[in-house]
Amino acid sequence: DVKVTQSSRYLVKRTGEKVFLECVQDMDHENMFWYRQDPGLGLRLIYFSYDVKMKEKGDIPEGYSVSREKKERFSLILESASTNQTSMYLCASSLFARSGTGGAYEQYFGPGTRLTVT
Amino acid sequence: SQQGEEDPQALSIQEGENATMNCSYKTSINNLQWYRQNSGRGLVHLILIRSNEREKHSGRLRVTLDTSKKSSSLLITASRAADTASYFCATHSGTYKYIFGTGTRLKVLA
Repeated sequence: DVKVTQSSRYLVKRTGEKVFLECVQDMDHENMFWYRQDPGLGLRLIYFSYDVKMKEKGDIPEGYSVSREKKERFSLILESASTNQTSMYLCASSLFARSGTGGAYEQYFGPGTRLTVT
Repeated sequence: SQQGEEDPQALSIQEGENATMNCSYKTSINNLQWYRQNSGRGLVHLILIRSNEREKHSGRLRVTLDTSKKSSSLLITASRAADTASYFCATHSGTYKYIFGTGTRLKVLA
């Protein structure tokens, strides 16, 4: 079974702190994603990576950066945490769908990190 | 950006009844996926239906897709208390992005 792990289930940080959220997957997936989930807004994509050192901005990248130095690890960085970044953060991974395969594969999610910024 | 919208937002049924939830989306897609999320946890993939498929089954789950109406439905038959969760649809349309809806909260009463 695919396993996606996230470094913390709960995290409390102060405004202005630099925050690192780590995600590790063990199935050699090319794609990795960071989402945030807020009530009434569903899941919103922050960043996506399709290979080591490659990244693409999602819908809400402002205030965040990412790092992918190894295939299995994808880190989300809050450069200077703010209270509006209080949220549930979800990491996911998937295989990369080659053209002609009929579209994307399913995503496998980690358990989430509930971040509170005070 | 496009967004799937689930309907209803919340659903409460008795154990043993069927639960139906719907998803509408705005643009053409490659495939549509349904996920389940138990309270405060990550999402779990349930089923994927491709744009050239109309219906798919997996255990007690039945998914339909109507690309002309840009809608999908998820039917859970003979529901159990353990099915209590939030259910999300996610669409994929040829880029890396999966667009998630806001979810249907299902409560199955024992």
